[in-house]
Amino acid sequence: GQQLNQSPQSMFIQEGEDVSMNCTSSSIFNTWLWYKQDPGEGPVLLIALYKAGELTSNGRLTAQFGITRKDSFLNISASIPSDVGIYFCAGQPWTGANNLFFGTGTRLTVIP
Amino acid sequence: DGGITQSPKYLFRKEGQNVTLSCEQNLNHDAMYWYRQDPGQGLRLIYYSQIVNDFQKGDIAEGYSVSREKKESFPLTVTSAQKNPTAFYLCASKRGLEGKETQYFGPGTRLLVL
Repeated sequence: GQQLNQSPQSMFIQEGEDVSMNCTSSSIFNTWLWYKQDPGEGPVLLIALYKAGELTSNGRLTAQFGITRKDSFLNISASIPSDVGIYFCAGQPWTGANNLFFGTGTRLTVIP
Repeated sequence: DGGITQSPKYLFRKEGQNVTLSCEQNLNHDAMYWYRQDPGQGLRLIYYSQIVNDFQKGDIAEGYSVSREKKESFPLTVTSAQKNPTAFYLCASKRGLEGKETQYFGPGTRLLVL
């Protein structure tokens, strides 16, 4: 299946800094999902986006569904050590589609 | 407490052996999925089921089999035909609210070959 272009692949930041990562696709999606995965655990849903242009927050996390429907970004403000993990995006191409397309992930390291 | 459970957490397989990974959900979701995750790679779809007694192959179904006899359960069998089974296996189910479909994942099972 198609993989989404997710960048950056990894980030090393100081505690308290803001973080931004994004996903792009060559085709349009009707849903964008952002997950966080800790080592040895299953992905946990952070934010779900269902409409082009939608901007949604979950605590210090904010994500946007791009107007073109081909991209999405995730921002984390004032990072803390427990933000460490792998973040990845997923897109659903149309309502009722049985598959998600996944990004390869952004590995975030927060330096105290 | 609603959610998706997978067992066991770790599973060891001997050469030529079939093993079965369990996935149960109490979210009342119709659709369920199995993914494989390898280091440095994105998730790859093995099988999915939209409804009881029906399932479809995903991108990498060879060497795997599934069943969907109950809405809550979607077990995955890794057969001896799967030559490189060592991976992290993730089960997911999908909330099917039209226009707001969302997949939720279980905690995963790590399969190791002895």
